[in-house]
Amino acid sequence: EIVMTQSPVTLSVSPGERATLSCRASHYVSSNLAWYQQKPGQAPRLLIFGASTRATGIPDRFSGSGSGTEFTLTIASLQTEDFAVYYCQQYNNWPPGSFGQGTKLEIK
Amino acid sequence: VQLVESGGGLVQPGGSLRLSCEAFGFTVSNSYMTWFRQAPGKGLEWVAVIYSGGSRFPADSVKGRFTISRDTSKNTLYLQMNSLRPEDTAIYFCARELMGPFDSWGQGALVTVSS
Repeated sequence: EIVMTQSPVTLSVSPGERATLSCRASHYVSSNLAWYQQKPGQAPRLLIFGASTRATGIPDRFSGSGSGTEFTLTIASLQTEDFAVYYCQQYNNWPPGSFGQGTKLEIK
Repeated sequence: VQLVESGGGLVQPGGSLRLSCEAFGFTVSNSYMTWFRQAPGKGLEWVAVIYSGGSRFPADSVKGRFTISRDTSKNTLYLQMNSLRPEDTAIYFCARELMGPFDSWGQGALVTVSS
């Protein structure tokens, strides 16, 4: 089983600033990595797939990078609506796939 | 593309429940469809997948108790849950897999297992 570890668990950032979230895979997953955003009471929303490709309708302030075992989600100039929980997911080994435990992005 | 879930509720331990996930804008039988769950305050857990060819795989935690299926005529995905346990309490999401990532999700159905 591939274990996904996200850091930090909680990130406090002010609106307008940049946020950088990390995700590490216990084994090689190539670029088969997605990022999701989840707000309270809602389903996850796909942001990034293929480690760096934005999903349809995702603003360009969201960007993903990395390959192999180390990945990063960067949100430039945070907007109020960006404060949420973010999950990474590997799909190199599926099923069972695996998600990280999440990073909560909160307003500073 | 939209997924609309129904069927959640309160059930006693040992009881059964069936969740439905109706799809709009695409064909369920041509897609890889998955059920996830999220316990209160926790992360996402994969529950079961059904491939377009019909192969089905449940997670070890639900094997022998939960069954994923679909009805082509109704374009609907199902999750039959038997022998429910308190630890099955969660919000259940259906999702469509698009060559790896999950691009469309249902709104979620709350299942509470309690006496």
